[in-house]
Amino acid sequence: NAGVTQTPKFQVLKTGQSMTLQCAQDMNHEYMSWYRQDPGMGLRLIHYSVGAGITDQGEVPNGYNVSRSTTEDFPLRLLSAAPSQTSVYFCASSGGEAPTEGEQFFGPGTRLTVL
Amino acid sequence: SQKIEQNSEALNIQEGKTATLTCNYTNYSPAYLQWYRQDPGRGPVFLLLIRENEKEKRKERLKVTFDTTLKQSLFHITASQPADSATYLCALPYSSASKIIFGSGTRLSIRP
Repeated sequence: NAGVTQTPKFQVLKTGQSMTLQCAQDMNHEYMSWYRQDPGMGLRLIHYSVGAGITDQGEVPNGYNVSRSTTEDFPLRLLSAAPSQTSVYFCASSGGEAPTEGEQFFGPGTRLTVL
Repeated sequence: SQKIEQNSEALNIQEGKTATLTCNYTNYSPAYLQWYRQDPGRGPVFLLLIRENEKEKRKERLKVTFDTTLKQSLFHITASQPADSATYLCALPYSSASKIIFGSGTRLSIRP
């Protein structure tokens, strides 16, 4: 199992550009989430999904879109990048069932810089 | 909204001592609470989950307590080692198991 994979590892954008951060998991997990991590802010939830076709907003959803067309993939789209979106982005997945409900498996992260 | 607070300052302790990290939360009564470890440049790794009806849970040198009255969890590492140096994050489900939110983490440094 590859677990949770994310691409790209690094990305530099100019203000106003759009891009998609890719996330895939091969553990057949129902739940997937996107977080951003800024210095001193911990992980903040952007969007999450409870299954294919179902997504919902997290704590900081503005400026981001998601879709979940398959169980495996959960891409995050930045529509018009802003410097405030400079951050490290983590994708996570979980199986959602006891006894390990909510135990999240994280990808290696994407480091995004917006100039 | 839910708020999770962890020691914002780094914790520096001597090797062999017990490290104790605190996680406080407000405005919610989670069914469980989790602890993760994060090393620089990497994603968090799950360590332990403790449920609301469990007072204490242990895993090797790790011990977690959960006081739902105080709305607090304590995370202990006994016989600490330099390899335990990392940032430790607490997390809990906000309204459902699919929506997990995190504290800001506490950086722990163990000096030889």
